[in-house]
Amino acid sequence: DQQVKQNSPSLSVQEGRISILNCDYTNSMFDYFLWYKKYPAEGPTFLISISSIKDKNEDGRFTVFLNKSAKHLSLHIVPSQPGDSAVYFCAARRATSGSRLTFGEGTQLTVNP
Amino acid sequence: KAGVTQTPRYLIKTRGQQVTLSCSPISGHRSVSWYQQTPGQGLQFLFEYFSETQRNKGNFPGRFSGRQFSNSRSEMNVSTLELGDSALYLCASKPSTDTQYFGPGTRLTVL
Repeated sequence: DQQVKQNSPSLSVQEGRISILNCDYTNSMFDYFLWYKKYPAEGPTFLISISSIKDKNEDGRFTVFLNKSAKHLSLHIVPSQPGDSAVYFCAARRATSGSRLTFGEGTQLTVNP
Repeated sequence: KAGVTQTPRYLIKTRGQQVTLSCSPISGHRSVSWYQQTPGQGLQFLFEYFSETQRNKGNFPGRFSGRQFSNSRSEMNVSTLELGDSALYLCASKPSTDTQYFGPGTRLTVL
């Protein structure tokens, strides 16, 4: 049962444009969501997070939006840069599950110069 | 602060052997979690330790075990290795807030 899904395995955008990565979840008990960026042979790097009591969180070029009724979140990167090219993972946590994170399958973002 | 460190970075073992991986969390972080990443299953939670106690466990067989020491350093052990155990094993540490910070991982290859 895949509780966190990233339906787009890959996304390609032009440098300077907006990148929008999407994530859907099924478990309404998730109360905290995170986005990580990962390069091959490295560990995931934390980007941004959002609590379920908010609908938006912004940090520099990164903004995460949460739509609880639709069980959907998205990561916006503006403007996109070639160095943003990586695999992006969406992760979710349940308050009763300690630190356990449930990850999506990841989306490969390629930003073309 | 130094990040999460994991040793060794790469490891090659044969079926039936056992392996121990080590993780040193960020200073001050008391929670350590382990994850397995494989091409087929993605990133999956193994277990979490806090103050030397296992606080949470994922759906992995008993061949996978771990422990945490009083200095918060953690080890995970896999016994009777199988080919399917080949994966990137990631350790993450967490402060009192909700964000987990990952180490670079240990790439285990089972031949």
